[in-house]
Amino acid sequence: AQSVSQHNHHVILSEAASLELGCNYSYGGTVNLFWYVQYPGQHLQLLLKYFSGDPLVKGIKGFEAEFIKSKFSFNLRKPSVQWSDTAEYFCAFLNNNAGNMLTFGGGTRLMVKP
Amino acid sequence: DTEVTQTPKHLVMGMTNKKSLKCEQHMGHRAMYWYKQKAKKPPELMFVYSYEKLSINESVPSRFSPECPNSSLLNLHLHALQPEDSALYLCASSQPGRPWEQYFGPGTRLTVT
Repeated sequence: AQSVSQHNHHVILSEAASLELGCNYSYGGTVNLFWYVQYPGQHLQLLLKYFSGDPLVKGIKGFEAEFIKSKFSFNLRKPSVQWSDTAEYFCAFLNNNAGNMLTFGGGTRLMVKP
Repeated sequence: DTEVTQTPKHLVMGMTNKKSLKCEQHMGHRAMYWYKQKAKKPPELMFVYSYEKLSINESVPSRFSPECPNSSLLNLHLHALQPEDSALYLCASSQPGRPWEQYFGPGTRLTVT
């Protein structure tokens, strides 16, 4: 079955540390992958998306992600986190088994200590 | 206006009550979505409306009844819910065929007692 998995459930970092959150997908064929962020008490919003082309995708707020086909991965990165990056991060894909709708991974809760 | 609004923000209801959740957007989007999000879990798709017609129902129990009275409004009618239905209910909208560009509302936090 198509899915994405996020193995890091909780991540705690200090400000200025570098961030990498893992996302692995488990299906072949056309790959459409996304990262969303949910700040505390705020609505879910799209950080970045990958459909095809350049495997290094730049998103908003200084985030980027790299699609590595050989590793079935789409990890989210940021060189230097801020306290304001404290949030829940979801990897997602378009699920052909669900009318090509978004299906989310389990999420990673990031806490950045000031 | 790039906002999706949801009312109420919080709702507490008994298992025999009937209540409704409301969602509104004025971005001209013709696809609207309901999601259920349990604590510390990802959002799970419940329903999708496309051009005011129900296009996806993810095997949701009949105690949840969606309604899309016009292109700006989406309702979720609740009846005879169970305590395990307590969750954050998210509404979202997008242009049809572009679900990754969904704008999400802040959600209604529902508690069933």
